[in-house]
Amino acid sequence: AQTVTQSQPEMSVQEAETVTLSCTYDTSENNYYLFWYKQPPSRQMILVIRQEAYKQQNATENRFSVNFQKAAKSFSLKISDSQLGDTAMYFCAFTYNNDMRFGAGTRLTVKP
Amino acid sequence: GAVVSQHPSRVICKSGTSVKIECRSLDFQATTMFWYRQFPKQSLMLMATSNEGSKATYEQGVEKDKFLINHASLTLSTLTVTSAHPEDSSFYICSASTGLPIPETQYFGPGTRLLVL
Repeated sequence: AQTVTQSQPEMSVQEAETVTLSCTYDTSENNYYLFWYKQPPSRQMILVIRQEAYKQQNATENRFSVNFQKAAKSFSLKISDSQLGDTAMYFCAFTYNNDMRFGAGTRLTVKP
Repeated sequence: GAVVSQHPSRVICKSGTSVKIECRSLDFQATTMFWYRQFPKQSLMLMATSNEGSKATYEQGVEKDKFLINHASLTLSTLTVTSAHPEDSSFYICSASTGLPIPETQYFGPGTRLLVL
C-alpha cells in the first residue's frame, strides 16, 4: 500500500521569505504522480503543483517549485516570496492508477 | 477551467433521514469521480471511486448501503447518506478526474458540511 508522510504538522514563515514543506512517500510502483494541494480556511482544495514521476525535471508554477528525488521518494514544496494568502493547510498527495493518498498535512502560517 | 461544484454547501438534518449531495463537473467531462470525508483538522479519507455508468468501488470499512453513490453521467455524481446518524456528521468532498492533460489529476468541489442532529 502506498503511504504519504508529512513530518511537519505546523510551520510558519515571514512574509516575503521562502519556506520548504517536506513530503516522503512509499511505493513499489515506477510510474505515478505527485501533487501538492492547498486547503485555505474555506476548505476548498486547490491544486498547487503536480509532478509526473517519469519526468526528471522538477515542476515549477510561479512562486511554487518542487524538489523531486525519486530514489529517495521525497517530494518537497518550496514557496518563494511567501504571501499572506499562502496561509493554509498543505497536503502532499500520491496517486497511482487513480488511487490518490494524502499525507496528514502541514499547516502553514505566513506572518506579516 | 476544471471547475467542480457541490450542492448543498451545508445541510442540517434529523437523525434517521436521508441526505443527497450532488457533485458536478461544470466545464469538463469527468471520467472518474471520487468521494472523500474529512474530519476536523485531519486529512482527506477516500470513501469511494465511481466511473460513469458503473457501480462505485468502496474503500474498506465504508458501508455501501449507507453511502449510496450514483454516477449517472460524465458530469454528475451523487452521494446519498441514508438513515443518517450523528456520527455521520462530517465534511464531505467530491473530486473529478478528466484524464487530461495530466492523468490522475483530481479537481475538488468546495465540500458539503453535514450536521446530523
